Amino acid sequence: EVQLVESGGHLVQPGGSLRLSCVASGFTFRIQWMSWVRQAPGKGLEWVANINDDGSEKHYMDSVEGRFTISRDNAKNSLFLEMSSLKAEDTAVYYCAQRESLFDHWGQGTLVTVSS
Amino acid sequence: IQMTQSPSTVSASVGDRVTITCRASQSISNWLAWYQQKPGKAPKLLIYTASTLESGVPSRFSGSGSGTDFTLTISSLQPDDSSTFYCQQYDSYPYTFGQGTKLEI
Repeated sequence: EVQLVESGGHLVQPGGSLRLSCVASGFTFRIQWMSWVRQAPGKGLEWVANINDDGSEKHYMDSVEGRFTISRDNAKNSLFLEMSSLKAEDTAVYYCAQRESLFDHWGQGTLVTVSS
Repeated sequence: IQMTQSPSTVSASVGDRVTITCRASQSISNWLAWYQQKPGKAPKLLIYTASTLESGVPSRFSGSGSGTDFTLTISSLQPDDSSTFYCQQYDSYPYTFGQGTKLEI
């Protein structure tokens, strides 16, 4: 059974930084693209970033380019999202999702709140 | 690519047939997926490549369309179908979702 477990979300001040983690199990992580998708409170879904199997290819949505960095550690079956220069509009539940573009498995999400 | 869903909210009764539409701002061929999300839960993939049903999804769900116009149809609504539905294009980066359609039973 595929399992994705996110962690690291909490309250942070505007301009601050945060690192989210996602631990995967139940599939061969090292050969799979992975993605982050977020959802602001009461709002719709936004694709944030994805990364290929060996970490050599990454893509980002425009509004996080240069501020967020996606990475992975295949030895630890882990996906990361380093977030810096955080803004109020980055407040959201961040989901880790399996695959590049079509998300058939999701984690439970971790809440990031950017507020002073 | 902008994805626009309509309606934003739809109310229907058990046994009804409901259609939700999704329009892309430019052609995405058939690179379109539909997701169902219930409050407090992660989304669930229902349909991909516009009309292919994900394994385990009930056959009362169906999708159609290509290019810029797509539909999700739910025949014979069940109480458990109450949720929000999102379309998503994966033709080109950045991947984008529609704003969602809330289905009230």
